[in-house]
Amino acid sequence: ETGVTQTPRHLVMGMTNKKSLKCEQHLGHNAMYWYKQSAKKPLELMFVYSLEERVENNSVPSRFSPECPNSSHLFLHLHTLQPEDSALYLCASSPTRDVQETQYFGPGTRLLVL
Amino acid sequence: AQSVTQPDIHITVSEGASLELRCNYSYGATPYLFWYVQSPGQGLQLLLKYFSGDTLVQGIKGFEAEFKRSQSSFNLRKPSVHWSDAAEYFCAVDTVSGAGSYQLTFGKGTKLSVIP
Repeated sequence: ETGVTQTPRHLVMGMTNKKSLKCEQHLGHNAMYWYKQSAKKPLELMFVYSLEERVENNSVPSRFSPECPNSSHLFLHLHTLQPEDSALYLCASSPTRDVQETQYFGPGTRLLVL
Repeated sequence: AQSVTQPDIHITVSEGASLELRCNYSYGATPYLFWYVQSPGQGLQLLLKYFSGDTLVQGIKGFEAEFKRSQSSFNLRKPSVHWSDAAEYFCAVDTVSGAGSYQLTFGKGTKLSVIP
């Protein structure tokens, strides 16, 4: 298996649930990203990890909690979400954190919060 | 603050016709500019990028883009569109975050429909 994979592809959860999104990259990259893609809004960068260290947190609410146990895996833990959090969550990776690097995206997890 | 604008939300072209997708940015210095494409149900894929040098950049799938500093534009072009080009296209520019690091800022995207 190659590239960037994300599981699950679709997720429906209630506002009181706790769930986790998983991202895995098989490219040997050192940087990983979480983006939120909502309808009619630009892609929003949420978190950036470089060599397993969080280097960017773009004012994301604490109900989203990222985890990067190693350079190949990235998680997004979700708890007490709101309906407005419904969106496509995209994971990406790049060789380094350098902004010039090409980012490789996974297919995303489509999240619906009821 | 740096920003990127894609004026066209949705464009429809006939297969075989030429295509130009517009992108404008606001940035003081020479920006790093990118075009990504997102096919239905897929993540984003890089088409091309510009950092410096030749202002006409060639990308994958027959796409090209031209950086025009005087117009603050980085428009994407393709001479003959194929049905498989139907997708959403995102322009992006490097920007400085509140924490002082560089990150990509994306436009809202242009959805391309292709008529057979």
